[in-house]
Amino acid sequence: EPEVTQTPSHQVTQMGQEVILRCVPISNHLYFYWYRQILGQKVEFLVSFYNNEISEKSEIFDDQFSVERPDGSNFTLKIRSTKLEDSAMYFCASRAGATNEKLFFGSGTQLSVL
Amino acid sequence: AQSVTQLGSHVSVSEGALVLLRCNYSSSVPPYLFWYVQYPNQGLQLLLKYTSAATLVKGINGFEAEFKKSETSFHLTKPSAHMSDAAEYFCAVSSYSGSARQLTFGSGTQLTVLP
Repeated sequence: EPEVTQTPSHQVTQMGQEVILRCVPISNHLYFYWYRQILGQKVEFLVSFYNNEISEKSEIFDDQFSVERPDGSNFTLKIRSTKLEDSAMYFCASRAGATNEKLFFGSGTQLSVL
Repeated sequence: AQSVTQLGSHVSVSEGALVLLRCNYSSSVPPYLFWYVQYPNQGLQLLLKYTSAATLVKGINGFEAEFKKSETSFHLTKPSAHMSDAAEYFCAVSSYSGSARQLTFGSGTQLTVLP
């Protein structure tokens, strides 16, 4: 089965630093998502992306966050100035089309902000 | 707004015993419901989904779930637990926002299978 690939699997950074989390969605998918899971809490929706623009974002996705699809394969999440509370597992996901309900998730990037 | 509540953050069963993981949903429209499983150090894998067809949905690895509208429930079951079933299980409801579907997840249930 095709996979969503995320790198790195673990990222450690100092508070205030910028981080970029990288994802390679499944090649023919059109809809892309970022979710996060703080340790012991729910998996939370951050943002969805379609046709090179954000289609929906949650209240968590503030001005410190941005997403980009810089080329035909990568989908990145940037946190401009990390805070301690940004420490979480970040999941990328992709979907083939608007009427296809199945979301394919990557294995996640564990971000630790010190 | 749609939401999901999973009863029991930890469930332990003996190998060979029935697995029952509970999920209740809240939705203002007919929901699409999902169960995902997360094995250690892995991503979320779709177990099964309900999309308004049959109310009893069969998934992978012998799991099934029954959609009960009157109870707003979508509990996950497996007749006989296997050691390899130990994982975290997430119930989710799908909402449609603009051009994109997004998932709202429950808080997860950690399943432990005892030998």
